[in-house]
Amino acid sequence: KNQVEQSPQSLIILEGKNCTLQCNYTVSPFSNLRWYKQDTGRGPVSLTIMTFSENTKSNGRYTATLDADTKQSSLHITASQLSDSASYICVVSAGYPLTGGGNKLTFGTGTQLKVEL
Amino acid sequence: SQTIHQWPATLVQPVGSPLSLECTVEGTSNPNLYWYRQAAGRGLQLLFYSVGIGQISSEVPQNLSASRPQDRQFILSSKKLLLSDSGFYLCAWRGSTVEQPNTIYFGEGSWLTVV
Repeated sequence: KNQVEQSPQSLIILEGKNCTLQCNYTVSPFSNLRWYKQDTGRGPVSLTIMTFSENTKSNGRYTATLDADTKQSSLHITASQLSDSASYICVVSAGYPLTGGGNKLTFGTGTQLKVEL
Repeated sequence: SQTIHQWPATLVQPVGSPLSLECTVEGTSNPNLYWYRQAAGRGLQLLFYSVGIGQISSEVPQNLSASRPQDRQFILSSKKLLLSDSGFYLCAWRGSTVEQPNTIYFGEGSWLTVV
């Protein structure tokens, strides 16, 4: 069964500090891994997407890493801001299509990040 | 540019009443469209997807149905809501750009509370 597990479940950090969120997955066959940011009550917004051959990808202060051998990914946030407070969701795409509708996605339950002054 | 619009944003419905959530996409043609549900403390669950007008695939058996009457319109419906239908519903479409191939773009979501 395909699964995506994220840790920690929640995290509180001070503004300006760095943090790292973890994602472990057991999805086969693997196609790509995505990180989304979801503000409370809003739809998720894509941060990064990485394929098997990519080890790291950055989007501003967000840097995602992928270790396909250990099936782990991390999202590092640098110099956190109050606006970074949100849920961060790891999503893994399996390498088989939904009959033409795109690949099947398995979602983690997210890490709830709160940035405080 | 492409946009996705989903409504209503929130609604409270009694058990047994009908439901209709609507989603439209602009700036693209023949998109792949999806309906997801996000229950509290759980990951997003794919409910339906559509690759074209009138083409609906269901991922899980449930009390809901979906329809695609137009190329860029996707509707989630129920004839009689159950308490367990409460949740946060998200419409999404699959884009394809050089920068982010096969990225899923989500709407703003609809909060449904069945009472």
